[in-house]
Amino acid sequence: DIQMTQSPSTLSASVGDRVTITCRASQSVSSWLAWYQQKPGKAPNLLIYDVSSLKSGVPSRFSGSGSGTEFTLTISSLQPDDFATYYCQQYYTYPWTFGQGTKVEIK
Amino acid sequence: QVQLQESGPGLVKPSQTLSLTCTVSGGSISSGDYYWSWIRQPPGKGLEWIGYIYYSGSTYYNPSLKSQVTISVDTSKNQFSLKLISVTAADTAVYFCARATLNAARFDYWGQGTLVTVSS
Repeated sequence: DIQMTQSPSTLSASVGDRVTITCRASQSVSSWLAWYQQKPGKAPNLLIYDVSSLKSGVPSRFSGSGSGTEFTLTISSLQPDDFATYYCQQYYTYPWTFGQGTKVEIK
Repeated sequence: QVQLQESGPGLVKPSQTLSLTCTVSGGSISSGDYYWSWIRQPPGKGLEWIGYIYYSGSTYYNPSLKSQVTISVDTSKNQFSLKLISVTAADTAVYFCARATLNAARFDYWGQGTLVTVSS
């Protein structure tokens, strides 16, 4: 299985901060990577797919980059609604796997 | 707007079978453009993909769960289902159903999730 490792596990930030979350794959996943946002008690919500394509309706402050084994999710200016847990997911090969999550907390 | 809704018992005894159904509305399972998946999340932990079914009935299961899992589809009811046999406390989780696009399997629509507790 491809292991997806996110860092940091927890991130404390303030409204307006630029936030970057890293996701590393144990082997190349090419460009087959997605990012999700999950709030407590809710299902994950797709934000970005194919590394950098923004799902329709997702604010442009979210962006993704990377290729191969290293990827980043950036929130350019953190908003109150963005405090949540974020997961990366590879769909390059079976089984599809997720990172362990990064919780973005209020500083 | 596609909607998915999980249903089934919230409590299952150890060694018994967990059974859940996902009802899809606002779109047809038979459209052929999607994989229909189950994903679970133990309390306070991360996400684990269980497997998918295509409308034709073809399946793929996570090897870590393959011996326990069966996913089936009922296109006439626009539903797909999960069965997990011989459950233990480790199978306690929120179970989500989700849709993945055929050409690149990101999960673009999810059910709200249902908590299943394995306990005697």
